[in-house]
Amino acid sequence: QQQVKQSPQSLIVQKGGISIINCAYENTAFDYFPWYQQFPGKGPALLIAIRPDVSEKKEGRFTISFNKSAKQFSLHIMDSQPGDSATYFCAASKSGFQKLVFGTGTRLLVSP
Amino acid sequence: ETGVTQSPTHLIKTRGQQVTLRCSSQSGHNTVSWYQQALGQGPQFIFQYYREEENGRGNFPPRFSGLQFPNYSSELNVNALELDDSALYLCASGGTASTDTQYFGPGTRLTVL
Repeated sequence: QQQVKQSPQSLIVQKGGISIINCAYENTAFDYFPWYQQFPGKGPALLIAIRPDVSEKKEGRFTISFNKSAKQFSLHIMDSQPGDSATYFCAASKSGFQKLVFGTGTRLLVSP
Repeated sequence: ETGVTQSPTHLIKTRGQQVTLRCSSQSGHNTVSWYQQALGQGPQFIFQYYREEENGRGNFPPRFSGLQFPNYSSELNVNALELDDSALYLCASGGTASTDTQYFGPGTRLTVL
């Protein structure tokens, strides 16, 4: 049973544009929601994470929006750059258990 | 860099063989988790170790086993390899069992022929 659904599967954005990736979760016990960036041949790198007590968190060009009632969260990449081209994974876990449940990933291509 | 290292980088085995993958966590991190990432998929949780004891397991058979050592290193052992075991194996280290942030290593690419 897939507990975290991620969309779109792939995304092409022009340089300078906004990239938006969406995730939905099912397990209401989840209370930690990180986003990871993965380049080919590398391990996932933590980008930004949020907990349900806030609706938005911003770090540089990356913003997480969180909707607890809808059980959805999204990643916005502002001013997208070619160097942002990578696969992005949302994940969720129950705080204190460190068992991350990942989405299926979104392959982002930022065209110059 | 996350400070998490894994070896080897790549590995080729044949069906039925056994394999041991190694991970060195960040100093001071008492938890280590292992994940399997099939091509084009998100990582799947295999199990977690905390202070050398298994502290949670995903939906993987017992032929997947692990060890954690006092020096922040750990092993993932897979017996009776199957073709479907071909994947990128990732270890992730965290602080204590109650710390949510995990840092991933670069992974070991296992190919089973």
